[in-house]
Amino acid sequence: DAGVTQSPTHLIKTRGQQVTLRCSPKSGHDTVSWYQQALGQGPQFIFQYYEEEERQRGNFPDRFSGHQFPNYSSELNVNALLLGDSALYLCASSLARTGEETQYFGPGTRLLVL
Amino acid sequence: QKEVEQNSGPLSVPEGAIASLNCTYSDRVSQSFFWYRQYSGKSPELIMSIYSNGDKEDGRFTAQLNKASQYVSLLIRDSQPSDSATYLCAVLPLQKLVFGTGTRLLVSP
Repeated sequence: DAGVTQSPTHLIKTRGQQVTLRCSPKSGHDTVSWYQQALGQGPQFIFQYYEEEERQRGNFPDRFSGHQFPNYSSELNVNALLLGDSALYLCASSLARTGEETQYFGPGTRLLVL
Repeated sequence: QKEVEQNSGPLSVPEGAIASLNCTYSDRVSQSFFWYRQYSGKSPELIMSIYSNGDKEDGRFTAQLNKASQYVSLLIRDSQPSDSATYLCAVLPLQKLVFGTGTRLLVSP
């Protein structure tokens, strides 16, 4: 049973650049949520995708955008990177069709902005 | 007031003891509650989910939920050094998980 996968595992960018992070959900799951976790903090919800549409969004600026593909995989894009965007970016998948909202996390992408 | 509050710790217990981790939440709409374990540098791993008032046991772990008091806890029996990690409490008010900052647990041999 394939779990949630994310790529890349680590990334170093400079201020002002753009970054794309990728996520493949757990086999059979249809919903992908993205979270940002700063050091010493709990994960913060960015947004959730279901049926290729953004279903809900957290308190993040428009520089953060996403996409979900027909195969349920997802991308997180961050434009005009700031130093404060340095964090662990987590993707979580769940199965909304059955109402089961338990979310399972991937290994994360650690982004460092210099 | 934070939506989900946890004591940041560290909570130190000797090997074999019971570790008790606590969490309070503010949103009465929340119906689903989760405990995740996170080792340093790793992603959160689901330990327990609980939806109804009372206790739910899974091996050495017991989750307790009291919706009237807006309180959820996690008990770890026979604590092992491998249980040393940060434990994140999360609630699910509307599809999105809201996390506390986590409690760091240290189990000494």
